[in-house]
Amino acid sequence: EDQVTQSPEALRLQEGESSSLNCSYTVSGLRGLFWYRQDPGKGPEFLFTLYSAGEEKEKERLKATLTKKESFLHITAPKPEDSATYLCAVRRPDNAGNMLTFGGGTRLMVKP
Amino acid sequence: DSGVTQTPKHLITATGQRVTLRCSPRSGDLSVYWYQQSLDQGLQFLIQYYNGEERAKGNILERFSAQQFPDLHSELNLSSLELGDSALYFCASSPGQGKAGNTIYFGEGSWLTVV
Repeated sequence: EDQVTQSPEALRLQEGESSSLNCSYTVSGLRGLFWYRQDPGKGPEFLFTLYSAGEEKEKERLKATLTKKESFLHITAPKPEDSATYLCAVRRPDNAGNMLTFGGGTRLMVKP
Repeated sequence: DSGVTQTPKHLITATGQRVTLRCSPRSGDLSVYWYQQSLDQGLQFLIQYYNGEERAKGNILERFSAQQFPDLHSELNLSSLELGDSALYFCASSPGQGKAGNTIYFGEGSWLTVV
């Protein structure tokens, strides 16, 4: 069974204090690891897809990396508007379908 | 704005009742997904439709059913509602099944409260 574990569950940072969020996964035949941002009461907003170990993607202050067992979301010099829950999810091959298995999320709070 | 539209945004209903949640996917997307998010369970995959046909099923209860219509909009029907069904229900869509079609875009959700 696919497992996705995110750590820490919650993270408090001061504005400008860089850090990383972790997503560990156990899946047979990964076909994509996805990062989403979710604001309270809103739908998840797509950030990145990573497909193979060593791949990196960047968007503004966010950088996602992937190894064979985990992914990191690095946040450089965060701002208060980066406060949100960050979700990772994995997709594995299936006979049909495109379902994602999500981790529990990391709730990030950035204080000014 | 992801382009995925869900109605209603909020719904309060009594136990034992039946409700229908509606979803319009992004223009051109053929796949529609339904997810449930509760405080203790996180985001759970319920079901996927692709161009009108069921393609994948997750932890969807027998009391729940869904369908995708020829115009590609989808409905999730929840019946014999229980208190534990209170959750945020998300619809999502993606272009298709290939690598480019892997990215799933979520709507803003429908808040269901069962009292």
